[in-house]
Amino acid sequence: EAQVTQNPRYLITVTGKKLTVTCSQNMNHEYMSWYRQDPGLGLRQIYYSMNVEVTDKGDVPEGYKVSRKEKRNFPLILESPSPNQTSLYFCASSLGRGFGIGNQPQHFGDGTRLSIL
Amino acid sequence: DAKTTQPPSMDCAEGRAANLPCNHSTISGNEYVYWYRQIHSQGPQYIIHGLKNNETNEMASLIITEDRKSSTLILPHATLRDTAVYYCIVLPWGNKLVFGAGTILRVKS
Repeated sequence: EAQVTQNPRYLITVTGKKLTVTCSQNMNHEYMSWYRQDPGLGLRQIYYSMNVEVTDKGDVPEGYKVSRKEKRNFPLILESPSPNQTSLYFCASSLGRGFGIGNQPQHFGDGTRLSIL
Repeated sequence: DAKTTQPPSMDCAEGRAANLPCNHSTISGNEYVYWYRQIHSQGPQYIIHGLKNNETNEMASLIITEDRKSSTLILPHATLRDTAVYYCIVLPWGNKLVFGAGTILRVKS
């Protein structure tokens, strides 16, 4: 089954304790992205990756890192989490950005709810 | 990116067609209309997209007016599982998604 898998689904942690949220897709997609969703602010893009070893900042990259060493994986790293990073996080992937007619549809994971105390 | 205007909420009877409107009066020639939805506690789900022609797939139909200033997403036979927030997004080819407030669709039995 084609899917984007995020882990963990839920995490409560404390300020300053490094954490990684993993994202894996099994569709051989080139484009992957991380979003955060906050009440009243909608979905905002944190980082995206056009392909292996190619990453770029989205709208709200501060406090986050990513890496794309393999096509299927795109982990989100919070080196020193702070309470303002408490949010619902989504990973997404698509065949490519700009391929074909319009953006290729993005497939989203089921989300990771992070609480930073 | 063009702004979109959607009603905050709508109700629909189960089994009936759900017609969700979207205004995008400032849309430009290279901008596509996308629809996604988000069922509570799940990740957003792509539904359909189009440029100027009407489109249909297994989930829905997209009707775009001739002047492209508005569109309607049609779910032909709404079920309770279609209760979700529906997002109309207008952006040029190749750009990232930006989700607004969307329309809360409540399908009632």
